[in-house]
Amino acid sequence: AQSVTQPDIHITVSEGASLELRCNYSYGATPYLFWYVQSPGQGLQLLLKYFSGDTLVQGIKGFEAEFKRSQSSFNLRKPSVHWSDAAEYFCAVGPDSGGGADGLTFGKGTHLIIQP
Amino acid sequence: GAGVSQSPRYKVAKRGQDVALRCDPISGHVSLFWYQQALGQGPEFLTYFQNEAQLDKSGLPSDRFFAERPEGSVSTLKIQRTQQEDSAVYLCASSLGLGIYEQYFGPGTRLTVT
Repeated sequence: AQSVTQPDIHITVSEGASLELRCNYSYGATPYLFWYVQSPGQGLQLLLKYFSGDTLVQGIKGFEAEFKRSQSSFNLRKPSVHWSDAAEYFCAVGPDSGGGADGLTFGKGTHLIIQP
Repeated sequence: GAGVSQSPRYKVAKRGQDVALRCDPISGHVSLFWYQQALGQGPEFLTYFQNEAQLDKSGLPSDRFFAERPEGSVSTLKIQRTQQEDSAVYLCASSLGLGIYEQYFGPGTRLTVT
């Protein structure tokens, strides 16, 4: 079965500093990978996705992510964070092409705190 | 254009009551998904519709959970005889077509069972 691991529950970054959020996945075939952001009381907003092709993916709000098959990773990066980036970030994979569930499989999330 | 909407946004139910949660997907979206998000956790898949057909209900935690999408648009998630462990945010998402498309999420319904 597919799975997603986000090793960092909380990350604190100073405003203006760079950011990297880690995501590792387990998936039987070529993965479809997503990063979503969730602000308090809100639904999930898609930041970026990887389906195939260029392994460096650009998203909205200045975010990018790099797919590394050898490391089973899809880490999210931003060169300079803003206070408005404080939120919960979820990495997701799927759906399972091997006959499993049709929905996405999410990690537990990383809570990003921005220090002034 | 309008995004995915869900109602009610908040629901408090006494244990044992039945609840119905509504999802209005983006117009024209073929696929519709329900997820359950417990406090401090990532969303977990419940069920999937392609038009009016429920193609996957492998994530429904018990037979107290039932979902329908009779006309291939609006969907309702029903929970019978609610239990405290059903307290969570229920998220609905829709996507444009069949296969692999990005899913657009609604704001969720926060269910609290007392």
